[in-house]
Amino acid sequence: EDQVTQSPEALRLQEGESSSLNCSYTVSGLRGLFWYRQDPGKGPEFLFTLYSAGEEKEKERLKATLTKKESFLHITAPKPEDSATYLCAVQGWNNAGNMLTFGGGTRLMVKP
Amino acid sequence: SAVISQKPSRDICQRGTSLTIQCQVDSQVTMMFWYRQQPGQSLTLIATANQGSEATYESGFVIDKFPISRPNLTFSTLTVSNMSPEDSSIYLCSVQLAIYGYTFGSGTRLTVV
Repeated sequence: EDQVTQSPEALRLQEGESSSLNCSYTVSGLRGLFWYRQDPGKGPEFLFTLYSAGEEKEKERLKATLTKKESFLHITAPKPEDSATYLCAVQGWNNAGNMLTFGGGTRLMVKP
Repeated sequence: SAVISQKPSRDICQRGTSLTIQCQVDSQVTMMFWYRQQPGQSLTLIATANQGSEATYESGFVIDKFPISRPNLTFSTLTVSNMSPEDSSIYLCSVQLAIYGYTFGSGTRLTVV
């Protein structure tokens, strides 16, 4: 059974204070690792997909990296508008084909 | 990327009743997914709906409680049947497109009283 664990559960940062969010996973045959951002009352918004260890992707202040056991979402010089819940998910297999298994998420709050 | 419209966006329902949630996509997709997000929790997959076949349910979810329809390649419904307060959650529709990966609707916030 695929498992995804995110840490920390919650993170408070001052504006400009860089940090990293962790996503540890176990999956039988990783087909992709996804990062999403979710704002209150909204559905998850796609950020990145990573497919193989060593891969990195960047978007504005966010950078995602992947190893064989975990992924990191690095936030550089965050701003208050980066406050959201960040979700990690792995793509695996079920009887219907493929599926996403989500971690519990990290609630990020950036204070001005 | 795909645009997903979910209706209703929120509802308050009496226990014992049923609610049908609609999901409309602006592209033809083979697989549609229904998720539940309980308060303060992450997303849990309820079922996968392929057009032209019965939905495939994940462990802990059954068709009698969460019947799903998939009449064509752009539309699906999820019904939450015989509701109890424990069904109060956000229900999300998702699709997978080869180029854009997985896209989610804005969700239906259900409160059962």
